[in-house]
Amino acid sequence: EADIYQTPRYLVIGTGKKITLECSQTMGHDKMYWYQQDPGMELHLIHYSYGVNSTEKGDLSSESTVSRIRTEHFPLTLESARPSHTSQYLCASSEFYQDENTDTQYFGPGTRLTVL
Amino acid sequence: KNEVEQSPQNLTAQEGEFITINCSYSVGISALHWLQQHPGGGIVSLFMLSSGKKKHGRLIATINIQEKHSSLHITASHPRDSAVYICAVKRGNTDKLIFGTGTRLQVFP
Repeated sequence: EADIYQTPRYLVIGTGKKITLECSQTMGHDKMYWYQQDPGMELHLIHYSYGVNSTEKGDLSSESTVSRIRTEHFPLTLESARPSHTSQYLCASSEFYQDENTDTQYFGPGTRLTVL
Repeated sequence: KNEVEQSPQNLTAQEGEFITINCSYSVGISALHWLQQHPGGGIVSLFMLSSGKKKHGRLIATINIQEKHSSLHITASHPRDSAVYICAVKRGNTDKLIFGTGTRLQVFP
């Protein structure tokens, strides 16, 4: 059982509000990721981090920003939410398995965001 | 065309049936993951494969690197197996995953 947490699980807010989606992991993983998933669609990487003070944009352009001040914490912020931001946001962290020579990712439960 | 294609998109089965979900990819990879996503949205990693075959309980995953194809099998399916099964690949020189759109499985009693 992976120890990665996201809050809130569900959020309904009005247009123009600033929001922060929280993601925390207690496994000491250096690598963390944010994905966006629309209903019935594939996950798209929007941000990732290889460690403290390291953040990169993912493959899908996003108006959100992230920060990584502590290893265990990787919050995502939307300065001014819009209806187009309505989606599910999934956080993940990963560790490297020497035997498999690759990482495996552990996912949080997700935050379902609705912007009215 | 997506770099990772899954089939079928939707699958219904009776309890006890043998299930096969397929994944084809068009890029060079270092690993392939099978993930399970339940209606609440949470995702669980089932398998990570770079070659051959893995088995965990009633689940079996195989990969053919030459054919760029992987299958996930569920033996003696059960209603609690109902979920979306997602194939994801890691390109050889990056840590990023490329995801398929998933196969929605419903198993009826």
